[in-house]
Amino acid sequence: DGGITQSPKYLFRKEGQNVTLSCEQNLNHDAMYWYRQDPGQGLRLIYYSQIVNDFQKGDIAEGYSVSREKKESFPLTVTSAQKNPTAFYLCASSIRGEGSYEQYFGPGTRLTVT
Amino acid sequence: GESVGLHLPTLSVQEGDNSIINCAYSNSASDYFIWYKQESGKGPQFIIDIRSNMDKRQGQRVTVLLNKTVKHLSLQIAATQPGDSAVYFCAEGNQGGKLIFGQGTELSVKP
Repeated sequence: DGGITQSPKYLFRKEGQNVTLSCEQNLNHDAMYWYRQDPGQGLRLIYYSQIVNDFQKGDIAEGYSVSREKKESFPLTVTSAQKNPTAFYLCASSIRGEGSYEQYFGPGTRLTVT
Repeated sequence: GESVGLHLPTLSVQEGDNSIINCAYSNSASDYFIWYKQESGKGPQFIIDIRSNMDKRQGQRVTVLLNKTVKHLSLQIAATQPGDSAVYFCAEGNQGGKLIFGQGTELSVKP
């Protein structure tokens, strides 16, 4: 059963703590993406990776970090420097990073920081 | 530019009617367009896509129309059902591999 998994579904943290969100895919896709979604708004790109061991900043990368050590995994760390971390985080993958292709999304992680 | 405010555009239709959701895109160089459906608390699901060398594409109960002259994209849903209630996003892409998402439209289907 191929797809993208994100865990956990809900995550609660205290302000000032770093937190890492998991994203795994078994679709053998080269490219992976992290988006942030706030209520009533569209998806904003945080980071993306077109190939293993390489990644680029998206539109709102400040306060976030990523790694891409394995093709199937693209974890996102929300650091204490992120001013408004409470949001719904979505991970996606696509078959290739170059060119235009459908992105497949995971179920999302809702992060609440208090 | 960024969306401001917390209220999505909303389209309310009667069950069985056809729905048309519109989207204006920003980049004339975009060559790929895609519609996603997002139910509350879930990740977006692919509905249909279209490349810039086409102006119409049909799927099961859905049709996407592309007007490059005015940079406009629409999604038509035939015989709308309660299960179609969701937020619908359009996205545009180019050779760089990234997608740029619109704000979304909330579709509400009245039984």
